[in-house]
Amino acid sequence: AQRVTQPEKLLSVFKGAPVELKCNYSYSGSPELFWYVQYSRQRLQLLLRHISRESIKGFTADLNKGETSFHLKKPFAQEEDSAMYYCALALGLTFGTGTRLQVTL
Amino acid sequence: ETGVTQSPTHLIKTRGQQVTLRCSSQSGHNTVSWYQQALGQGPQFIFQYYREEENGRGNFPPRFSGLQFPNYSSELNVNALELDDSALYLCASSFTPKDEQFFGPGTRLTVL
Repeated sequence: AQRVTQPEKLLSVFKGAPVELKCNYSYSGSPELFWYVQYSRQRLQLLLRHISRESIKGFTADLNKGETSFHLKKPFAQEEDSAMYYCALALGLTFGTGTRLQVTL
Repeated sequence: ETGVTQSPTHLIKTRGQQVTLRCSSQSGHNTVSWYQQALGQGPQFIFQYYREEENGRGNFPPRFSGLQFPNYSSELNVNALELDDSALYLCASSFTPKDEQFFGPGTRLTVL
């Protein structure tokens, strides 16, 4: 069975500090992994997917098959990064429980 | 190009009733997925339809059923409602099952 674990419900960082949102997965095949973000009063939207290897809004995520992880990172947090972040595993998308990122001044 | 829309926005039902939730996909999107999101949880995959055929199902009982229509609209039907069915129901559309999913705003269902 596939599973996604996001161990932190809330991550609070200061503006300008590095951010790492943790995601671990359990899947027997070759995984396709995504990060989705939900800003306040907005709908869920794709932030990035591992196959594209893009950096979106300064965020990156590297798939580590050995550690079965797909942590989301950003070197310098901005206030506008405050949101709910979900890690998801395809297909059909198995979501983690989400981490709320709170960036404070 | 319009986004994914869902109706109604909110709905209140009583235990044992049946409910139909509706979703209108983005034009050209042949895939629709439905999710249940309980308070404080991540979305849980219910099922996915691709070109009007079911293309995968999560761990939900048969009383959760769906339909996808040629005009990019779809329905989620839930029979014999239970209190635990109270949740936000999200639909998401994509060109194919492997493409980025675009989410609707959700329908908030309350079962009393």
